[in-house]
Amino acid sequence: DAEITQSPRHKITETGRQVTLACHQTWNHNNMFWYRQDLGHGLRLIHYSYGVQDTNKGEVSDGYSVSRSNTEDLPLTLESAASSQTSVYFCASSESSGRETQYFGPGTRLLVL
Amino acid sequence: QKEVEQDPGPLSVPEGAIVSLNCTYSNSAFQYFMWYRQYSRKGPELLMYTYSSGNKEDGRFTAQVDKSSKYISLFIRDSQPSDSATYLCAMYSGGGADGLTFGKGTHLIIQP
Repeated sequence: DAEITQSPRHKITETGRQVTLACHQTWNHNNMFWYRQDLGHGLRLIHYSYGVQDTNKGEVSDGYSVSRSNTEDLPLTLESAASSQTSVYFCASSESSGRETQYFGPGTRLLVL
Repeated sequence: QKEVEQDPGPLSVPEGAIVSLNCTYSNSAFQYFMWYRQYSRKGPELLMYTYSSGNKEDGRFTAQVDKSSKYISLFIRDSQPSDSATYLCAMYSGGGADGLTFGKGTHLIIQP
């Protein structure tokens, strides 16, 4: 069955370190998204991509970057981790014609000490 | 004012009751309305998807959209303990806009 996976599922890191969270989908979806979920804020969009070599900033993109070299993967990089980036990160994907129907991965819990 | 307002709850009801979950929004450009269910420590799971105003039914779940009032609802009939989760409403305007705009979620507890 097609699916979307994220790794690692849990990560502890230190302030200032670079961290990369992986997202891999086997639906062959062109659209991929990264969200963070925090108490009191709900899900907020970090970055998104509508295809290979395409990346766009979302609502809370400062301190994060993404790159899209193939259809299946959209890794999220925290250039210099900060305590404010402690959160649960979700990757999602959707078909080209169905940006509204997004399917989510299981999430990565990140703790920045 | 946030674009999407949703009461965080918790909302606690007895098993078998009809549950009503609601969201209001301010952006009249929203045309697509979704409900996601999220179990603890899991990713959101798409439950219902509605385009524009109207009703949509899927088993025990009914989604309603009233664009004139900027109000959407999710009804759960014959609620079960397995329905206990956080329910997130999400909206999208279409036309090349970026990602979904989510409510903060309502925590629902179905008491056996």
